[in-house]
Amino acid sequence: DAKTTQPTSMDCAEGRAANLPCNHSTISGNEYVYWYRQIHSQGPQYIIHGLKNNETNEMASLIITEDRKSSTLILPHATLRDTAVYYCIVRSSIQGGSEKLVFGKGTKLTVNP
Amino acid sequence: NAGVMQNPRHLVRRRGQEARLRCSPMKGHSHVYWYRQLPEEGLKFMVYLQKENIIDESGMPKERFSAEFPKEGPSILRIQQVVRGDSAAYFCASSSQGRQFFGPGTRLTVL
Repeated sequence: DAKTTQPTSMDCAEGRAANLPCNHSTISGNEYVYWYRQIHSQGPQYIIHGLKNNETNEMASLIITEDRKSSTLILPHATLRDTAVYYCIVRSSIQGGSEKLVFGKGTKLTVNP
Repeated sequence: NAGVMQNPRHLVRRRGQEARLRCSPMKGHSHVYWYRQLPEEGLKFMVYLQKENIIDESGMPKERFSAEFPKEGPSILRIQQVVRGDSAAYFCASSSQGRQFFGPGTRLTVL
């Protein structure tokens, strides 16, 4: 699985959009980009994933560049409860594989009042 | 639909004792993953199981650790002769359509 690079920490004002970048320059054609977050010692929570098209769900939007070498997770209206460590993970879509998630250090997002 | 359940939530053991951690996947999920998070560190994959089969145990320590997922009942992560370095949060996840759903974790403290 390709390696990802994320900033160590970011701050965001409550109510504003939080844009979390991720670099995955070695991503291959069959690899998806997944985002999870971990709120203070809880179990990680799935947010969103995508292959090459932009994706949106009730939690967030995922913007993937055309060359797929980077992506941005957007929380449109951050709240204090969005304070968490956000993990960008690249994983193969090949069926029958291990499907394990390889977590890096992630980005510690702090939403300030 | 209940989420992934883990018990106990907190477990205290003395050095040399055995620890058994249980995980019940979401209804209809037959794949289970175990991850460990040491204090102030990220999550590390340990093992991936399907019913009655270990698919990938590349993250399991070579000794004292074992996992099973029987045909009936929860998945069990077993740690024999625990040491202080085993103190960590152990998370279980089950998967559907490429997404993994995590339980609340078991926090193991070894005295």
